[in-house]
Amino acid sequence: EIVMAQSPATLSVSPGDRATLSCRASQSISNNLAWFQHKPGRAPRLLIYDASTRATGIPARFSGSGSGTDFTLTISSLQSEDSALYYCQQSHDWPPTFTFGPGTRVDVK
Amino acid sequence: EVRLVESGGGVIQPGGSLRLSCVASGFTLEDFNMHWVRQIPGKGLQWVSVISWDGGSPHYAKSVKGRFTVSRDNNRNSLYLQMDTLSAEDTGLYYCAKGGRGFGEVTPDFDSWGQGTLVTVSS
Repeated sequence: EIVMAQSPATLSVSPGDRATLSCRASQSISNNLAWFQHKPGRAPRLLIYDASTRATGIPARFSGSGSGTDFTLTISSLQSEDSALYYCQQSHDWPPTFTFGPGTRVDVK
Repeated sequence: EVRLVESGGGVIQPGGSLRLSCVASGFTLEDFNMHWVRQIPGKGLQWVSVISWDGGSPHYAKSVKGRFTVSRDNNRNSLYLQMDTLSAEDTGLYYCAKGGRGFGEVTPDFDSWGQGTLVTVSS
């Protein structure tokens, strides 16, 4: 079973800063990784898939990188609206399990 | 515009059953795989199940296998989740999410989500 870990658990940043969120898989998942943004009371939003491809409509300040076991989501020039929980998710194994990481909370203030 | 609307949640006693529905619009449902994902209070997001575009090849998380059954009716633009033998650990907000295209052009999974329907298992 593939286990996903995320760090840090919480990130407090100022508007205009850059945030770097990490995600690690317990075994190689190639580039089968997605990142989601989740705000309270809202549906989760796909940001990045295949580790580095931005989903439709996602601003260029969101970027993803990595392959194998270590991945990064970078949010440049943070805005207050970027305050949210961010989850990584693997889609590598078969039968599929689509495991999510525990999330990183980003507070922009 | 893609729209997914879940319904069927509620308060149910342990051991009971519920059937969730998800009505899709704005895209051709029969072309896409579909997922159920839940948000467990204090525990983040947990994938529950996927069903392929043609209704075959359902897969489930270990925690629900044997108790939950996913199905779809493409003619009704609908996805379903039959949940049996419910326990307190199943309490959460249940989302349906659009999967990738089942054939042809590859498209990403989970690119659209509904607003969720709340399931509370409590005596």
